[in-house]
Amino acid sequence: ETGVTQSPTHLIKTRGQQVTLRCSSQSGHNTVSWYQQALGQGPQFIFQYYREEENGRGNFPPRFSGLQFPNYSSELNVNALELDDSALYLCASSLESPSYTEQFFGPGTRLTVL
Amino acid sequence: GDSVTQMEGPVTLSEEAFLTINCTYTATGYPSLFWYVQYPGEGLQLLLKATKADDKGSNKGFEATYRKETTSFHLEKGSVQVSDSAVYFCALPNTGNQFYFGTGTSLTVIP
Repeated sequence: ETGVTQSPTHLIKTRGQQVTLRCSSQSGHNTVSWYQQALGQGPQFIFQYYREEENGRGNFPPRFSGLQFPNYSSELNVNALELDDSALYLCASSLESPSYTEQFFGPGTRLTVL
Repeated sequence: GDSVTQMEGPVTLSEEAFLTINCTYTATGYPSLFWYVQYPGEGLQLLLKATKADDKGSNKGFEATYRKETTSFHLEKGSVQVSDSAVYFCALPNTGNQFYFGTGTSLTVIP
């Protein structure tokens, strides 16, 4: 069974640029969630994708957008990067279910905005 | 809204000491509760969970009991090891399986 993978591992961008982060969900999982973890903080929910549709969004501006593909992999896009976007971005996959289920996390992408 | 509040860190303990990390929650209904652990340079891993009141989750010597009356889910371990050094996060999901995480408690265990 393959776990959640993310790419790239590290990324350095400058303010105003755009970035795309990628995530492959764990085998059999159809739901992907993205989180932003600033240094020394807990992960903050950005949004979730289920069946290629956005299925909930946290308190993040529209310049944070995403996609989910038919194979359940996902992308997180951030436009007009700001210094405060520097963080570890975590992807988590799960099975959509009426009951609360465990989320399986990838190792994250460390984004640095200069 | 739903939230979790975790005890502030960092926590430094000697090997074989007793560990408690406090977590309280605010939620509508009775969600499952989780503890995740993050080792240096890695993503989050599920440590343990409890799905209903009075349930006790346990794993790798860690335990936490879901206390509805005190809205708490404190993490405990009787004898910590150097390898337990990590950041610990309490978490709860809302109705959309979207997780709220605490701010994390950093644990350092010294030999």
